[in-house]
Amino acid sequence: GEDVEQSLFLSVREGDSSVINCTYTDSSSTYLYWYKQEPGAGLQLLTYIFSNMDMKQDQRLTVLLNKKDKHLSLRIADTQTGDSAIYFCAEKRGADKLIFGTGTRLQVFP
Amino acid sequence: DVKVTQSSRYLVKRTGEKVFLECVQDMDHENMFWYRQDPGLGLRLIYFSYDVKMKEKGDIPEGYSVSREKKERFSLILESASTNQTSMYLCASSLSYVGKDTEAFFGQGTRLTVV
Repeated sequence: GEDVEQSLFLSVREGDSSVINCTYTDSSSTYLYWYKQEPGAGLQLLTYIFSNMDMKQDQRLTVLLNKKDKHLSLRIADTQTGDSAIYFCAEKRGADKLIFGTGTRLQVFP
Repeated sequence: DVKVTQSSRYLVKRTGEKVFLECVQDMDHENMFWYRQDPGLGLRLIYFSYDVKMKEKGDIPEGYSVSREKKERFSLILESASTNQTSMYLCASSLSYVGKDTEAFFGQGTRLTVV
Protein backbone atom coordinates (compact mmCIF):
# COMPACT_ATOMS: atom_id res chain seq x y z
CA GLY A 1 0.00 0.00 0.00
CA GLU A 2 0.93 3.61 -0.23
CA ASP A 3 2.69 5.15 2.73
CA VAL A 4 1.53 7.76 5.19
CA GLU A 5 4.73 9.53 6.17
CA GLN A 6 5.77 11.21 9.39
CA SER A 7 9.08 12.30 10.82
CA LEU A 8 10.24 9.81 13.43
CA PHE A 9 11.25 12.06 16.33
CA LEU A 10 10.44 15.44 17.81
CA SER A 11 11.93 16.92 20.95
CA VAL A 12 10.51 20.06 22.60
CA ARG A 13 10.88 21.95 25.82
CA GLU A 14 8.01 21.93 28.30
CA GLY A 15 5.73 24.91 27.71
CA ASP A 16 6.67 25.28 24.03
CA SER A 17 4.42 24.35 21.13
CA SER A 18 4.90 21.06 19.28
CA VAL A 19 4.06 20.60 15.62
CA ILE A 20 3.84 17.08 14.25
CA ASN A 21 3.54 16.72 10.48
CA CYS A 22 2.07 14.04 8.27
CA THR A 23 1.90 13.50 4.53
CA TYR A 24 -0.79 11.20 3.24
CA THR A 25 -1.38 9.82 -0.20
CA ASP A 26 -5.04 9.17 -0.92
CA SER A 27 -6.76 12.35 -2.10
CA SER A 28 -10.14 10.69 -1.67
CA SER A 29 -9.65 10.14 2.08
CA THR A 30 -12.72 11.46 3.85
CA TYR A 31 -11.43 11.67 7.41
CA LEU A 32 -7.98 12.13 8.85
CA TYR A 33 -7.10 11.28 12.42
CA TRP A 34 -4.49 11.77 15.09
CA TYR A 35 -3.94 8.97 17.57
CA LYS A 36 -1.71 8.93 20.65
CA GLN A 37 0.13 5.90 22.01
CA GLU A 38 1.55 6.11 25.51
CA PRO A 39 4.25 3.67 26.61
CA GLY A 40 2.94 0.12 26.99
CA ALA A 41 -0.55 1.08 25.84
CA GLY A 42 -2.73 0.78 22.78
CA LEU A 43 -3.65 3.75 20.61
CA GLN A 44 -6.27 6.30 21.59
CA LEU A 45 -8.00 8.78 19.34
CA LEU A 46 -6.98 12.39 20.00
CA THR A 47 -8.85 14.25 17.32
CA TYR A 48 -9.96 14.04 13.70
CA ILE A 49 -10.76 16.35 10.81
CA PHE A 50 -13.14 15.99 7.90
CA SER A 51 -11.52 16.45 4.52
CA ASN A 52 -13.56 19.54 3.61
CA MET A 53 -12.20 21.45 6.62
CA ASP A 54 -8.94 23.40 6.78
CA MET A 55 -8.58 23.64 10.52
CA LYS A 56 -9.99 22.21 13.70
CA GLN A 57 -9.22 23.36 17.21
CA ASP A 58 -9.83 21.34 20.36
CA GLN A 59 -8.43 22.90 23.53
CA ARG A 60 -4.63 22.68 23.24
CA LEU A 61 -4.80 20.80 19.94
CA THR A 62 -4.99 22.41 16.50
CA VAL A 63 -5.24 20.33 13.36
CA LEU A 64 -4.38 21.90 10.01
CA LEU A 65 -5.21 20.23 6.72
CA ASN A 66 -3.78 21.21 3.34
CA LYS A 67 -5.71 19.00 1.00
CA LYS A 68 -3.91 20.23 -2.11
CA ASP A 69 -0.55 19.14 -0.73
CA LYS A 70 -2.02 16.18 1.21
CA HIS A 71 -0.41 17.53 4.36
CA LEU A 72 -1.81 17.23 7.86
CA SER A 73 -0.34 18.72 11.02
CA LEU A 74 -1.06 18.55 14.73
CA ARG A 75 -0.05 21.47 16.93
CA ILE A 76 0.04 20.97 20.68
CA ALA A 77 0.13 24.26 22.59
CA ASP A 78 1.89 24.52 25.97
CA THR A 79 3.36 21.03 25.64
CA GLN A 80 3.58 19.10 28.92
CA THR A 81 5.65 16.10 29.97
CA GLY A 82 2.45 14.06 29.90
CA ASP A 83 2.28 14.70 26.17
CA SER A 84 5.36 12.53 25.64
CA ALA A 85 4.16 9.65 23.48
CA ILE A 86 4.08 8.38 19.92
CA TYR A 87 1.64 10.22 17.67
CA PHE A 88 0.15 8.56 14.60
CA CYS A 89 -1.79 10.17 11.82
CA ALA A 90 -4.27 7.97 9.99
CA GLU A 91 -6.45 8.28 6.94
CA LYS A 92 -9.78 6.64 6.27
CA ARG A 93 -9.79 5.06 2.83
CA GLY A 94 -12.94 3.78 1.21
CA ALA A 95 -15.74 2.95 3.59
CA ASP A 96 -13.85 2.06 6.72
CA LYS A 97 -10.26 1.05 6.07
CA LEU A 98 -7.84 2.87 8.37
CA ILE A 99 -4.24 3.36 7.24
CA PHE A 100 -1.74 4.64 9.78
CA GLY A 101 1.47 6.58 9.44
CA THR A 102 4.91 5.68 10.65
CA GLY A 103 4.45 7.52 13.95
CA THR A 104 6.32 10.45 15.55
CA ARG A 105 7.89 9.98 18.96
CA LEU A 106 7.45 13.24 20.90
CA GLN A 107 9.82 13.79 23.78
CA VAL A 108 9.16 16.69 26.14
CA PHE A 109 12.03 17.82 28.35
CA PRO A 110 11.90 20.21 31.33
CA ASP B 1 -16.53 1.83 27.68
CA VAL B 2 -15.58 -0.02 24.55
CA LYS B 3 -13.30 -2.90 25.30
CA VAL B 4 -11.02 -4.62 22.85
CA THR B 5 -9.26 -7.53 24.48
CA GLN B 6 -6.30 -9.40 23.09
CA SER B 7 -5.80 -12.82 24.59
CA SER B 8 -2.10 -12.48 25.42
CA ARG B 9 0.23 -9.57 26.22
CA TYR B 10 3.37 -11.59 25.53
CA LEU B 11 3.97 -14.74 23.49
CA VAL B 12 7.11 -16.67 22.65
CA LYS B 13 6.84 -19.23 19.85
CA ARG B 14 9.25 -21.39 17.89
CA THR B 15 9.95 -21.06 14.19
CA GLY B 16 7.52 -23.15 12.19
CA GLU B 17 4.79 -23.23 14.84
CA LYS B 18 1.22 -22.32 14.00
CA VAL B 19 0.27 -19.29 16.10
CA PHE B 20 -3.18 -17.94 16.92
CA LEU B 21 -3.69 -14.40 18.14
CA GLU B 22 -7.19 -13.76 19.44
CA CYS B 23 -9.09 -10.50 19.69
CA VAL B 24 -12.53 -9.90 21.17
CA GLN B 25 -14.58 -6.68 21.21
CA ASP B 26 -17.72 -6.09 23.23
CA MET B 27 -19.41 -3.21 21.39
CA ASP B 28 -20.99 -4.96 18.41
CA HIS B 29 -18.61 -3.27 15.98
CA GLU B 30 -18.76 -4.33 12.36
CA ASN B 31 -15.12 -3.58 11.54
CA MET B 32 -12.10 -5.30 13.00
CA PHE B 33 -8.44 -4.84 12.12
CA TRP B 34 -5.09 -6.49 12.71
CA TYR B 35 -1.97 -4.34 12.54
CA ARG B 36 1.65 -4.98 13.33
CA GLN B 37 3.79 -2.25 14.83
CA ASP B 38 7.50 -2.07 14.20
CA PRO B 39 9.93 0.74 15.07
CA GLY B 40 10.28 3.21 12.23
CA LEU B 41 7.52 1.53 10.22
CA GLY B 42 4.52 2.55 12.28
CA LEU B 43 1.34 0.50 12.09
CA ARG B 44 0.93 -1.64 9.03
CA LEU B 45 -2.43 -3.18 8.22
CA ILE B 46 -2.33 -6.97 7.89
CA TYR B 47 -6.03 -7.77 7.45
CA PHE B 48 -9.34 -6.00 7.83
CA SER B 49 -12.78 -7.53 8.34
CA TYR B 50 -15.96 -5.55 7.74
CA ASP B 51 -18.43 -8.29 8.65
CA VAL B 52 -18.64 -11.88 9.81
CA LYS B 53 -16.79 -14.17 7.41
CA MET B 54 -15.73 -11.15 5.33
CA LYS B 55 -12.11 -10.11 5.09
CA GLU B 56 -9.88 -7.89 3.04
CA LYS B 57 -6.12 -7.98 2.70
CA GLY B 58 -4.17 -5.09 4.09
CA ASP B 59 -0.71 -3.98 3.07
CA ILE B 60 1.25 -6.96 4.41
CA PRO B 61 -0.93 -10.12 4.40
CA GLU B 62 1.83 -12.54 3.38
CA GLY B 63 2.40 -15.25 5.97
CA TYR B 64 -0.87 -14.46 7.78
CA SER B 65 -4.49 -15.51 7.59
CA VAL B 66 -7.54 -14.46 9.58
CA SER B 67 -10.82 -15.88 10.78
CA ARG B 68 -14.02 -14.11 11.72
CA GLU B 69 -16.71 -16.66 12.53
CA LYS B 70 -18.47 -14.44 15.07
CA LYS B 71 -18.92 -10.68 15.04
CA GLU B 72 -17.07 -10.11 18.29
CA ARG B 73 -14.01 -12.21 17.56
CA PHE B 74 -11.25 -11.74 15.01
CA SER B 75 -8.34 -14.15 14.96
CA LEU B 76 -4.95 -13.69 13.33
CA ILE B 77 -3.17 -16.88 12.31
CA LEU B 78 0.49 -17.31 11.54
CA GLU B 79 0.52 -20.55 9.57
CA SER B 80 4.24 -21.19 10.10
CA ALA B 81 5.86 -18.59 12.33
CA SER B 82 9.13 -17.07 11.21
CA THR B 83 11.58 -14.81 13.03
CA ASN B 84 10.64 -11.84 10.82
CA GLN B 85 7.17 -12.03 12.31
CA THR B 86 8.54 -11.01 15.70
CA SER B 87 6.59 -7.83 16.39
CA MET B 88 3.89 -6.07 18.37
CA TYR B 89 0.44 -7.01 17.06
CA LEU B 90 -2.46 -4.64 17.61
CA CYS B 91 -6.13 -5.42 17.15
CA ALA B 92 -8.73 -2.69 16.67
CA SER B 93 -12.46 -2.40 16.05
CA SER B 94 -14.80 0.32 14.84
CA LEU B 95 -18.38 0.93 13.86
CA SER B 96 -19.17 1.07 10.17
CA TYR B 97 -20.35 4.55 9.22
CA VAL B 98 -20.05 5.36 5.57
CA GLY B 99 -19.45 9.07 5.20
CA LYS B 100 -18.86 9.66 8.90
CA ASP B 101 -15.88 9.54 11.15
CA THR B 102 -15.30 6.24 12.87
CA GLU B 103 -13.10 6.02 15.92
CA ALA B 104 -11.04 2.86 16.11
CA PHE B 105 -10.61 1.31 19.53
CA PHE B 106 -7.43 -0.62 20.17
CA GLY B 107 -6.43 -3.53 22.32
CA GLN B 108 -3.31 -3.44 24.48
CA GLY B 109 -1.27 -5.35 21.97
CA THR B 110 0.45 -8.74 21.87
CA ARG B 111 4.22 -8.78 21.75
CA LEU B 112 5.14 -11.90 19.81
CA THR B 113 8.68 -13.20 19.77
CA VAL B 114 9.54 -16.02 17.36
CA VAL B 115 12.73 -17.87 18.24
